[in-house]
Amino acid sequence: QVTLKESGPGILQPSQTLSLTCTFSGFSLSTYGMGVGWIRQPSGKGLEWLANIWWDDDKYYNPSLKNRLTISKDTSNNQAFLKITNVDTADTATYYCARIPIITTPYFDYWGQGVMVTVSS
Amino acid sequence: DTVLTQSPALAVSPGERVTISCRASESVSTGMHWYQQKPGQQPKLLIYGASNLESGVPARFSGSGSGTDFTLTIDPVEADDTATYFCQQSWNDPYTFGAGTKLELK
Repeated sequence: QVTLKESGPGILQPSQTLSLTCTFSGFSLSTYGMGVGWIRQPSGKGLEWLANIWWDDDKYYNPSLKNRLTISKDTSNNQAFLKITNVDTADTATYYCARIPIITTPYFDYWGQGVMVTVSS
Repeated sequence: DTVLTQSPALAVSPGERVTISCRASESVSTGMHWYQQKPGQQPKLLIYGASNLESGVPARFSGSGSGTDFTLTIDPVEADDTATYFCQQSWNDPYTFGAGTKLELK
Protein backbone atom coordinates (compact mmCIF):
# COMPACT_ATOMS: atom_id res chain seq x y z
CA GLN A 1 0.00 0.00 0.00
CA VAL A 2 1.48 3.31 -1.14
CA THR A 3 1.12 6.25 1.23
CA LEU A 4 2.72 9.67 1.41
CA LYS A 5 2.47 12.28 4.13
CA GLU A 6 3.74 15.83 4.12
CA SER A 7 4.93 17.76 7.14
CA GLY A 8 5.95 21.38 7.54
CA PRO A 9 6.02 24.39 9.87
CA GLY A 10 2.42 25.51 9.39
CA ILE A 11 3.21 29.20 9.58
CA LEU A 12 6.32 31.22 8.86
CA GLN A 13 7.30 34.81 8.24
CA PRO A 14 8.24 36.49 4.96
CA SER A 15 11.88 36.05 3.93
CA GLN A 16 12.23 32.81 5.92
CA THR A 17 13.02 29.42 4.42
CA LEU A 18 10.23 26.87 4.13
CA SER A 19 11.29 23.28 4.80
CA LEU A 20 8.91 20.48 3.86
CA THR A 21 9.24 16.74 4.41
CA CYS A 22 7.46 13.97 2.54
CA THR A 23 7.51 10.62 4.34
CA PHE A 24 6.36 7.74 2.20
CA SER A 25 5.86 3.99 2.32
CA GLY A 26 4.99 1.21 -0.09
CA PHE A 27 7.67 2.06 -2.62
CA SER A 28 11.34 2.89 -2.78
CA LEU A 29 13.01 5.90 -4.34
CA SER A 30 15.88 3.63 -5.28
CA THR A 31 13.69 1.76 -7.76
CA TYR A 32 14.57 2.48 -11.38
CA GLY A 33 12.27 5.10 -12.92
CA MET A 34 10.64 6.14 -9.67
CA GLY A 35 10.25 9.75 -8.65
CA VAL A 36 8.59 12.07 -6.15
CA GLY A 37 7.20 15.45 -7.01
CA TRP A 38 6.01 18.49 -5.10
CA ILE A 39 2.91 20.42 -6.14
CA ARG A 40 1.19 23.31 -4.39
CA GLN A 41 -2.30 24.77 -4.41
CA PRO A 42 -3.32 28.14 -2.97
CA SER A 43 -6.71 27.98 -1.30
CA GLY A 44 -9.49 27.86 -3.86
CA LYS A 45 -7.07 27.97 -6.78
CA GLY A 46 -5.32 25.66 -9.19
CA LEU A 47 -2.31 23.38 -8.96
CA GLU A 48 1.29 24.41 -9.58
CA TRP A 49 4.07 21.86 -10.08
CA LEU A 50 7.25 22.77 -8.20
CA ALA A 51 9.92 20.08 -8.50
CA ASN A 52 10.70 16.38 -8.99
CA ILE A 53 13.45 14.15 -7.72
CA TRP A 54 14.24 10.83 -9.35
CA TRP A 55 15.62 7.48 -8.25
CA ASP A 56 19.06 8.39 -9.64
CA ASP A 57 19.05 11.70 -7.70
CA ASP A 58 18.36 13.73 -10.82
CA LYS A 59 16.37 16.85 -9.99
CA TYR A 60 13.96 18.88 -12.06
CA TYR A 61 12.61 22.29 -11.08
CA ASN A 62 9.92 24.65 -12.27
CA PRO A 63 11.96 27.46 -13.86
CA SER A 64 9.62 30.10 -12.42
CA LEU A 65 10.84 29.24 -8.91
CA LYS A 66 14.08 27.41 -9.65
CA ASN A 67 16.38 29.85 -7.87
CA ARG A 68 14.43 29.40 -4.65
CA LEU A 69 13.87 25.64 -4.66
CA THR A 70 16.00 22.76 -3.44
CA ILE A 71 14.71 19.19 -3.58
CA SER A 72 16.49 16.26 -1.98
CA LYS A 73 15.88 12.74 -0.69
CA ASP A 74 16.87 10.24 1.98
CA THR A 75 16.31 6.89 0.32
CA SER A 76 17.13 4.80 3.37
CA ASN A 77 14.46 6.58 5.43
CA ASN A 78 11.90 6.87 2.62
CA GLN A 79 11.76 10.65 2.68
CA ALA A 80 11.88 13.51 0.21
CA PHE A 81 12.40 17.14 1.06
CA LEU A 82 11.72 20.53 -0.44
CA LYS A 83 13.14 23.85 0.65
CA ILE A 84 11.85 27.19 -0.57
CA THR A 85 13.95 30.20 0.30
CA ASN A 86 12.85 33.79 0.84
CA VAL A 87 9.14 33.02 1.14
CA ASP A 88 6.45 35.60 0.53
CA THR A 89 2.69 35.71 1.12
CA ALA A 90 2.31 34.36 -2.42
CA ASP A 91 3.81 31.07 -1.17
CA THR A 92 0.81 30.52 1.11
CA ALA A 93 -0.71 27.27 -0.11
CA THR A 94 -1.34 23.60 0.55
CA TYR A 95 1.75 21.67 -0.45
CA TYR A 96 1.46 18.12 -1.75
CA CYS A 97 4.02 15.46 -2.46
CA ALA A 98 3.15 12.74 -4.93
CA ARG A 99 4.70 9.63 -6.39
CA ILE A 100 5.73 9.40 -10.02
CA PRO A 101 5.75 5.70 -10.92
CA ILE A 102 7.72 5.88 -14.14
CA ILE A 103 9.94 8.50 -15.69
CA THR A 104 8.89 7.76 -19.27
CA THR A 105 5.38 9.18 -18.74
CA PRO A 106 5.58 11.35 -15.65
CA TYR A 107 2.26 11.50 -13.83
CA PHE A 108 1.35 11.58 -10.15
CA ASP A 109 -0.42 8.37 -9.13
CA TYR A 110 -0.43 8.67 -5.34
CA TRP A 111 -0.71 11.95 -3.43
CA GLY A 112 -0.26 12.88 0.18
CA GLN A 113 -3.06 14.60 2.05
CA GLY A 114 -1.22 17.91 1.82
CA VAL A 115 0.17 20.31 4.39
CA MET A 116 -1.09 23.85 4.70
CA VAL A 117 1.56 26.55 4.88
CA THR A 118 0.81 30.16 5.71
CA VAL A 119 3.30 32.96 5.20
CA SER A 120 2.40 35.93 7.32
CA SER A 121 4.10 38.66 9.28
CA ASP B 1 5.09 27.30 -20.70
CA THR B 2 2.33 25.10 -22.12
CA VAL B 3 -1.01 26.63 -21.20
CA LEU B 4 -3.88 24.19 -20.64
CA THR B 5 -7.35 25.67 -21.12
CA GLN B 6 -10.40 24.09 -19.48
CA SER B 7 -14.01 25.23 -19.28
CA PRO B 8 -14.57 26.58 -15.76
CA ALA B 9 -17.77 24.72 -14.91
CA LEU B 10 -20.36 22.23 -16.09
CA ALA B 11 -23.71 21.10 -14.71
CA VAL B 12 -25.23 17.78 -15.66
CA SER B 13 -27.90 15.42 -14.39
CA PRO B 14 -27.09 11.99 -12.96
CA GLY B 15 -27.11 9.32 -15.62
CA GLU B 16 -26.05 11.68 -18.39
CA ARG B 17 -22.80 11.64 -20.33
CA VAL B 18 -20.40 14.52 -19.78
CA THR B 19 -17.25 15.51 -21.64
CA ILE B 20 -14.65 17.77 -20.08
CA SER B 21 -12.20 19.32 -22.48
CA CYS B 22 -8.61 20.44 -22.15
CA ARG B 23 -6.83 22.31 -24.91
CA ALA B 24 -3.06 22.74 -24.90
CA SER B 25 -1.31 25.79 -26.33
CA GLU B 26 1.19 23.46 -28.05
CA SER B 27 1.41 19.77 -28.71
CA VAL B 28 1.84 17.53 -25.68
CA SER B 29 1.61 14.28 -27.70
CA THR B 30 -0.11 11.86 -25.30
CA GLY B 31 1.54 13.27 -22.21
CA MET B 32 -1.78 14.36 -20.73
CA HIS B 33 -3.24 13.17 -17.45
CA TRP B 34 -6.50 13.79 -15.59
CA TYR B 35 -7.19 14.18 -11.89
CA GLN B 36 -10.32 14.48 -9.77
CA GLN B 37 -10.29 16.66 -6.67
CA LYS B 38 -13.10 16.83 -4.15
CA PRO B 39 -13.28 19.67 -1.59
CA GLY B 40 -10.77 19.27 1.20
CA GLN B 41 -9.09 16.29 -0.47
CA GLN B 42 -5.95 15.71 -2.48
CA PRO B 43 -6.18 15.16 -6.23
CA LYS B 44 -6.81 11.61 -7.42
CA LEU B 45 -5.40 10.25 -10.66
CA LEU B 46 -8.06 9.09 -13.12
CA ILE B 47 -6.39 8.86 -16.53
CA TYR B 48 -2.72 8.84 -17.54
CA GLY B 49 -1.11 8.99 -20.95
CA ALA B 50 -4.28 10.56 -22.39
CA SER B 51 -6.33 7.36 -22.44
CA ASN B 52 -5.12 4.87 -19.85
CA LEU B 53 -7.50 4.21 -16.97
CA GLU B 54 -5.77 4.19 -13.60
CA SER B 55 -6.23 0.98 -11.64
CA GLY B 56 -9.29 1.08 -9.40
CA VAL B 57 -10.97 3.93 -11.27
CA PRO B 58 -14.47 3.05 -12.54
CA ALA B 59 -14.78 2.30 -16.23
CA ARG B 60 -17.32 5.14 -16.43
CA PHE B 61 -14.28 7.38 -16.81
CA SER B 62 -12.39 7.48 -20.10
CA GLY B 63 -9.91 9.76 -21.80
CA SER B 64 -9.07 10.53 -25.39
CA GLY B 65 -7.02 12.87 -27.53
CA SER B 66 -3.51 13.61 -28.64
CA GLY B 67 -1.56 16.67 -29.65
CA THR B 68 -3.48 19.69 -28.38
CA ASP B 69 -7.06 18.53 -27.79
CA PHE B 70 -8.06 16.16 -25.03
CA THR B 71 -11.29 14.97 -23.49
CA LEU B 72 -12.28 13.33 -20.23
CA THR B 73 -15.63 11.55 -20.51
CA ILE B 74 -17.80 10.34 -17.66
CA ASP B 75 -20.64 8.06 -18.76
CA PRO B 76 -22.89 7.76 -16.92
CA VAL B 77 -22.36 10.53 -14.38
CA GLU B 78 -23.11 9.68 -10.75
CA ALA B 79 -23.79 12.01 -7.82
CA ASP B 80 -20.39 11.13 -6.32
CA ASP B 81 -18.65 12.61 -9.39
CA THR B 82 -19.24 16.14 -8.11
CA ALA B 83 -15.70 17.51 -8.05
CA THR B 84 -13.16 19.64 -9.86
CA TYR B 85 -11.29 17.95 -12.69
CA PHE B 86 -7.77 19.01 -13.66
CA CYS B 87 -5.73 18.13 -16.69
CA GLN B 88 -1.93 18.07 -16.47
CA GLN B 89 0.74 17.76 -19.14
CA SER B 90 4.21 16.32 -18.66
CA TRP B 91 5.40 16.39 -22.27
CA ASN B 92 6.84 19.90 -22.26
CA ASP B 93 8.95 21.64 -19.63
CA PRO B 94 7.72 22.65 -17.13
CA TYR B 95 4.78 20.42 -16.20
CA THR B 96 1.59 22.47 -16.14
CA PHE B 97 -1.98 22.01 -14.94
CA GLY B 98 -5.22 23.34 -16.28
CA ALA B 99 -7.24 25.66 -14.05
CA GLY B 100 -9.82 22.95 -13.48
CA THR B 101 -13.42 22.26 -14.47
CA LYS B 102 -15.94 22.21 -11.64
CA LEU B 103 -18.57 19.57 -12.29
CA GLU B 104 -21.89 20.03 -10.56
CA LEU B 105 -24.85 17.68 -10.56
CA LYS B 106 -28.30 19.08 -11.21
